[in-house]
Amino acid sequence: NAGVTQTPKFRILKIGQSMTLQCTQDMNHNYMYWYRQDPGMGLKLIYYSVGAGITDKGEVPNGYNVSRSTTEDFPLRLELAAPSQTSVYFCASISDRGHSPLHFGNGTRLTVT
Amino acid sequence: AQTVTQSQPEMSVQEAETVTLSCTYDTSESDYYLFWYKQPPSRQMILVIRQEAYKQQNATENRFSVNFQKAAKSFSLKISDSQLGDAAMYFCAYTSGTYKYIFGTGTRLKVLA
Repeated sequence: NAGVTQTPKFRILKIGQSMTLQCTQDMNHNYMYWYRQDPGMGLKLIYYSVGAGITDKGEVPNGYNVSRSTTEDFPLRLELAAPSQTSVYFCASISDRGHSPLHFGNGTRLTVT
Repeated sequence: AQTVTQSQPEMSVQEAETVTLSCTYDTSESDYYLFWYKQPPSRQMILVIRQEAYKQQNATENRFSVNFQKAAKSFSLKISDSQLGDAAMYFCAYTSGTYKYIFGTGTRLKVLA
């Protein structure tokens, strides 16, 4: 049972570079999320998706883009990386909205210098 | 707007002792779900315990139990017989059954040998 898989685990970017954080889940979950975790700030929602072809902004979407072409995959794109995007990024999923606990990937630590 | 507050940035406990981590939340909903997640140094987000607001009985999972006070909007986590492996960040989270999950800022628990 792979669950939610994120790649890469670590990445260092230079200011202005771009990259894609990959997230895939094998549980056939409809809802997928991208969070960022900053020290002392908890988890903030960047984008979420309720199914293939449907995405929407969360609390902190600026500087990011997402797509959801399949149920399994939900990549997060960073364009023109900035030091403010230095963070730990988590992908998560649930089968349907409501009471289920989030299933998390193991996170990606991104440093922008 | 719903909010989740963890007022203790850091707590310490002696091995084998009991510690309680606090969480309060604000909501106008009558039906919702609360969670505690553990994040060890490995960065993985691990579900510790879950509570449905419509259930009066406090949830328990082995050495972990909650004190759920719905009227006071309080959801504290009690860890009994603390072990070195309990050292981690602990996050309280809330959902009212929509797509939205709200996290507190976390409490870092140190376990002293």
